[in-house]
Amino acid sequence: QSALTQPPSASGSPGQSVTISCTGTSSDVGGYNYVSWYQQHPGKAPKVMISEVSNRPSGVPDRFSGSKSDNTASLTVSGLQAEDEAYYYCSSYAGSNTWVFGGGTKLTVL
Amino acid sequence: EVQLVESGGDLVQPGGSLRLSCAASGFTFSNTWMHWVRQAPGKGLMWVSHINSDGSTTTYADSVKGRFTISRDNAKNTVYLQMNSLSAEDTGVYYCTGDQHYSNYYWGQGTLLTVSS
Repeated sequence: QSALTQPPSASGSPGQSVTISCTGTSSDVGGYNYVSWYQQHPGKAPKVMISEVSNRPSGVPDRFSGSKSDNTASLTVSGLQAEDEAYYYCSSYAGSNTWVFGGGTKLTVL
Repeated sequence: EVQLVESGGDLVQPGGSLRLSCAASGFTFSNTWMHWVRQAPGKGLMWVSHINSDGSTTTYADSVKGRFTISRDNAKNTVYLQMNSLSAEDTGVYYCTGDQHYSNYYWGQGTLLTVSS
């Protein structure tokens, strides 16, 4: 149950696009299409932004998109807005009814 | 409206025990897998435990296996986390989550456990 690897920080200017990576192994990210992404603002509970690699729950802006290639998943935020500044966490199903999170990425809107 | 309301967080001495509760509403609880996720102060998220819809299958992170027990009462729409042999490393905010599509779709506001003497 090793944590998925995310960059500690990412940044972009308003209107730009930024991509956050999430690297695991063939036992988690690469083995299942059950990668999800969460947004967490300081002092708040996380919120699901993407499930099943690329599905956006109702109410999530289409500026958020997800993808996966081999053992690495990615979250792309297009048309950055000030309110997108937050921590982002990836998570993957890891088999045998276990899950694993990434260490989190702080997204700064410059 | 989906609501998950955790309770039971407290200050506990090392070696102590505590039970967290999470009351659910706004979705079909009895059909929904549930999880507990924790966040140590200033740190990231960590998956702690999962329970399937009828409570027949439970799983745990290695760091809590043998010390924590997840359970649910579908008649009360409530999931529990019994925590024993607590240590400082267990300190953090504990979130109850509802699963959809193998994701933590629904989140509570969290309840704080502090383990300290």
